[in-house]
Amino acid sequence: QKEVEQNSGPLSVPEGAIASLNCTYSDRGSQSFFWYRQYSGKSPELIMSIYSNGDKEDGRFTAQLNKASQYVSLLIRDSQPSDSATYLCAVPNQAGTALIFGKGTTLSVSS
Amino acid sequence: DTAVSQTPKYLVTQMGNDKSIKCEQNLGHDTMYWYKQDSKKFLKIMFSYNNKELIINETVPNRFSPKSPDKAHLNLHINSLELGDSAVYFCASRLTISTGEENQYFGPGTRLLVL
Repeated sequence: QKEVEQNSGPLSVPEGAIASLNCTYSDRGSQSFFWYRQYSGKSPELIMSIYSNGDKEDGRFTAQLNKASQYVSLLIRDSQPSDSATYLCAVPNQAGTALIFGKGTTLSVSS
Repeated sequence: DTAVSQTPKYLVTQMGNDKSIKCEQNLGHDTMYWYKQDSKKFLKIMFSYNNKELIINETVPNRFSPKSPDKAHLNLHINSLELGDSAVYFCASRLTISTGEENQYFGPGTRLLVL
């Protein structure tokens, strides 16, 4: 059974700082990695996906993947109070038919 | 236009009752899911249907019975509700494509409280 581990936090950063969210996974064969953001009382929404080692940037978000160390991270530059949410890391299950989620890291950005 | 919708949004009921949650997607997706998110925010897959066929049935009590009348709908019926069933239930849908790119969309969730 694949597992995805995240530090539940809360992670607190001041406005304008870089927030760093980390995720480790158990299955060395995993090929796809996803970051979802979930605001309190809302549904998860996909914000980043990454498939290759290295960095992938999208606006203020950068996903970093290191398959050798089995970790994937999400950096949020110039953090804003509106970034305050729970960030969920996910990998596909063995058959690729559903996602296995970590327990999420709660980020709080203070103004 | 709502992409993935669920009804009801809130459900408060007594132990032992039977209840249903409905989900509809208008995205033309071929795969639909039910996830359960507990009080600690852990989101876990329960069921998955592809083209109306059950493809995932995780370790879920058989009091939970999904039903997919067509590709756009996936309902969840729960018999003999227990206190531990209190959670947020999310429906999601996805178009199965071979590239592995993820495009799973979640509904707004149904908040179930069993008293």
